[in-house]
Amino acid sequence: SQQGEEDPQALSIQEGENATMNCSYKTSINNLQWYRQNSGRGLVHLILIRSNEREKHSGRLRVTLDTSKKSSSLLITASRAADTASYFCATDGKGAQKLVFGQGTRLTINP
Amino acid sequence: GAVVSQHPSRVICKSGTSVKIECRSLDFQATTMFWYRQFPKQSLMLMATSNEGSKATYEQGVEKDKFLINHASLTLSTLTVTSAHPEDSSFYICSAPRTGENEQFFGPGTRLTVL
Repeated sequence: SQQGEEDPQALSIQEGENATMNCSYKTSINNLQWYRQNSGRGLVHLILIRSNEREKHSGRLRVTLDTSKKSSSLLITASRAADTASYFCATDGKGAQKLVFGQGTRLTINP
Repeated sequence: GAVVSQHPSRVICKSGTSVKIECRSLDFQATTMFWYRQFPKQSLMLMATSNEGSKATYEQGVEKDKFLINHASLTLSTLTVTSAHPEDSSFYICSAPRTGENEQFFGPGTRLTVL
């Protein structure tokens, strides 16, 4: 399966700052989802944005989707130490549930 | 949210042995489950789609005779790594969507170490 790209690969910021991560993908999608993974653990679903949506909010999370550029961004506002984790975007294609994951961004929040 | 469990969470085995990993949906039925492999500091790579009552669908490059998948019930899929070798050492994660939903629920993962 072809994976998308995420940038940056690693991001280190101070607590309280905002963190922005970007994701690009290659094929037409049905939905794009963002997941968080703490080291050595499974994935936690954060937010899903449909292909006909442009922006979505959930608490301190804001996701945008630009299907013309095949890209998405995840913004975490007012970051906390507990936000330290790897973040992955994942896309599913038309008529398929299987997910294709981006390479991920390792986010470190420094207290 | 829905809960997916995996067992065991960690397994160490000798080269040449087979290891079975279970994935269970605890509070919902899953006609489809997915198996992923994740190497250190890398992303998840889909290995196969497990279909209840029928054969699994494997991704290109994944050996179906080496990674046996059985989805015998609506709440259980198993992945058996046969004749394991050190290069099979990895983090194996399963996921399952609830019927009609797009969100997938992930198990906590199984770390396999082959000596």
